[in-house]
Order: sequence, then structure tokens, then C-alpha cells
Amino acid sequence: EPEVTQTPSHQVTQMGQEVILRCVPISNHLYFYWYRQILGQKVEFLVSFYNNEISEKSEIFDDQFSVERPDGSNFTLKIRSTKLEDSAMYFCASSGQGDGYTFGSGTRLTVV
Amino acid sequence: AQKVTQAQTEISVVEKEDVTLDCVYETRDTTYYLFWYKQPPSGELVFLIRRNSFDEQNEISGRYSWNFQKSTSSFNFTITASQVVDSAVYFCALSGATSGGSYIPTFGRGTSLIVHP
Repeated sequence: EPEVTQTPSHQVTQMGQEVILRCVPISNHLYFYWYRQILGQKVEFLVSFYNNEISEKSEIFDDQFSVERPDGSNFTLKIRSTKLEDSAMYFCASSGQGDGYTFGSGTRLTVV
Repeated sequence: AQKVTQAQTEISVVEKEDVTLDCVYETRDTTYYLFWYKQPPSGELVFLIRRNSFDEQNEISGRYSWNFQKSTSSFNFTITASQVVDSAVYFCALSGATSGGSYIPTFGRGTSLIVHP
């Protein structure tokens, strides 16, 4: 069964550092998403990406965040200058036209 | 605006009991999707079911069943004969069409299910 792959599974970074979280969506999917889940809390939408541009974003997705599809397979989330409150599980997801979502297994980001 | 309410924060049962997880939603969209996801202690999100708003048939998959009632805007999830491995946080989610053309799920706060041996 096709999977959404996220790497790394766990990343520890120092406050103020830049991090890049990587995702390989399902190959024939057209829509890509990032979500985050602060420990013990709900899953929150960050951004959706379609046709090489951002289609929707939430108020959480401020200027410190950016997304990119650098080649035909990867989809990345960059956090420019990490803060302690960025510590969370970050989920990538993809969907086809009218399909349901497939989530990756997540990257746990710990900012120290 | 979309909203998903999972009023039960935590449910504790003993193995083999049946348990129902409630989900109530709000949306103005006429076409939408409803989902259930399971999040075990390891943290990943496991897809359980997607239901189209036009399909009100109940669904059964092994010990899992879902009751979709448009009249009450509810999409409840029942686990029959619960097992310890069912212990997890369960999220209900709703997605409707957005101006961007995608369907972005809004998640409820989750219900933590603890099944004791």
C-alpha cells in the first residue's frame, strides 16, 4: 500500500536554528499538507500546497515557516529560527483529487 | 466555518466491553468528508475510515463500526469487544471544499481510550 514517508522521525535542534522536515508524498497525489500536533493537543492544520504553490495556510503558518517541493518527489517544511514552542509532532499528508488523506508517521521536533 | 466536537476527553473500559466514541460536527458545506484516525502511543496517525456526506450507510469493519447520522450531524465510532491494543487517542475529522479546491481536515480534540486487561 502506498505510503507517505517522513524523515527524520525525531529531530532535536537548538533554539534559533533552522530545521527542514522532509516528506515524500504518494506519487500520484496532487495536494500536500503539513499539520502539527503539540504534545497532548489536537492536530492543527498548517498549510496546503497544490500546483507548486501554497493554496491555503493557517494563522500558525507565519513568516518563519516555508514549504517547498524542490523536485518531483520531496515536500519540505522549513522553520527558519526555531522557538521552544515549535516543539511538536509534524505530520505531512497527501491526497489525490477527491481522495482521502494519507498521513505520514510524523517527525517529532524537539527544540532545546 | 467547520467544527468538530469530541466531547469525551477520556474513556476507560475493561477488555471485551463495547465502547462508542462520539463525534459531532458543524459545517455549511453540502459536500464534505468525515474521517476517523487512531493515534497509538507511538504517535503516528492511522487512517480508519472516510465517509462522504452523501453516503449515510453505516459501516462495519471487523470489530469497528461507524454510525453516520446527518440529521444530528454525528459520526460515532463503536468498538465491539474492545482489546488492550485498542488503547489510543481517536480523532474525528471533517473536511469540506475550500476556496483553494482542496479538502482540508479539521480535527476534533480527540478521545483517549484506555482499555484495561
